[in-house]
Amino acid sequence: DGGITQSPKYLFRKEGQNVTLSCEQNLNHDAMYWYRQDPGQGLRLIYYSQIVNDFQKGDIAEGYSVSREKKESFPLTVTSAQKNPTAFYLCASTPGGGGSGANVLTFGAGSRLTVL
Amino acid sequence: AQKVTQAQTEISVVEKEDVTLDCVYETRDTTYYLFWYKQPPSGELVFLIRRNSFDEQNEISGRYSWNFQKSTSSFNFTITASQVVDSAVYFCALSEGVNTDKLIFGTGTRLQVFP
Repeated sequence: DGGITQSPKYLFRKEGQNVTLSCEQNLNHDAMYWYRQDPGQGLRLIYYSQIVNDFQKGDIAEGYSVSREKKESFPLTVTSAQKNPTAFYLCASTPGGGGSGANVLTFGAGSRLTVL
Repeated sequence: AQKVTQAQTEISVVEKEDVTLDCVYETRDTTYYLFWYKQPPSGELVFLIRRNSFDEQNEISGRYSWNFQKSTSSFNFTITASQVVDSAVYFCALSEGVNTDKLIFGTGTRLQVFP
């Protein structure tokens, strides 16, 4: 079955450490997204990529970095510069292309990061 | 600025009750899309419905129904005869534009259905 795989599901990090969250999709989607979810704040967009080797900052990109070297993969690095990294991180994808209107986002199961 | 407001933070009902989740949006776009997603305890958001701004027809899918009213900028979601499995966080979302898949999410409504 096609879908999005996020790993690890749970991650603990010490302050000052960088950590990378994995997101892999086998849906052949062009566009991929990273959202952050905090209690009571809904989902906020961190970064998105509409095509391989290209990505754009979302609303809360500070302290995060991404890469898009392969169509299937869109890893997110939470750097030590991120002031409050404890959150639930969701990866999503769409076919992309636009033109006909907003496509439906397909989400992964998420990764919960806790900074100790 | 575009915005989605879900004023109900948490709703609790007893099984078989009907429940309506409110969603109010703000946008200057004339063409836009509205979505509802469900987030069960497992964490993964599940797509429920997409509606474009030109289609104000209400939709029913089993026990779920949606009422879209442009006049009041609302896109409310009703669950009829709620079940325990409906317990989840429900998000309403608005597209940032016509040719983008980026969404603006509301803060979500947590629905608890008790047996």
